[in-house]
Amino acid sequence: DVKVTQSSRYLVKRTGEKVFLECVQDMDHENMFWYRQDPGLGLRLIYFSYDVKMKEKGDIPEGYSVSREKKERFSLILESASTNQTSMYLCASSQTPLSSYEQYFGPGTRLTVT
Amino acid sequence: ELKVEQNPLFLSMQEGKNYTIYCNYSTTSDRLYWYRQDPGKSLESLFVLLSNGAVKQEGRLMASLDTKARLSTLHITAAVHDLSATYFCAVLPSGSARQLTFGSGTQLTVLP
Repeated sequence: DVKVTQSSRYLVKRTGEKVFLECVQDMDHENMFWYRQDPGLGLRLIYFSYDVKMKEKGDIPEGYSVSREKKERFSLILESASTNQTSMYLCASSQTPLSSYEQYFGPGTRLTVT
Repeated sequence: ELKVEQNPLFLSMQEGKNYTIYCNYSTTSDRLYWYRQDPGKSLESLFVLLSNGAVKQEGRLMASLDTKARLSTLHITAAVHDLSATYFCAVLPSGSARQLTFGSGTQLTVLP
């Protein structure tokens, strides 16, 4: 079974702090994704990566950056957390090319910025 | 810009009844996905539909894909309380760089 893990289930940070959210997958997937989920807005893609050291902006990259130094690990960084970044953050991974591109999700990190 | 629209957004139904959730999308695609999310939990994959006319069934849920109409349906048969959850469809546009676009989700509540 594919396993995607995230470093924290719940996180509380103060405004202005630098925040790291980490995601690890154990299935040698090429693609990894970071989403945020907010009530009424569904899932919105922040960034994704299709290879080590490669990254692509999603729909809402402002205020975020990412790092992928190893294939299995994809980090989301909030350089200076703000209250409007309070959200549920979901990491996902998928395989290419001979696959369905199905994405497997981690358990999520609920981040509160005060 | 790809738009993925689900309806209804909220669905309250009685146990034993049948209902259908609709997912319309605005661009060409031959890959569509259905996910389930329980409150406070992450997304769990339900179905992967990879071609026009694809139909998949698991228990009381059946999903289908009509790529010409740009429509997928998730049909619920004889609903039970355990099916209460939020259901998302997601579309991978043709030629996409691997990223899915999700619908807003349908929050299903099955009442006894």
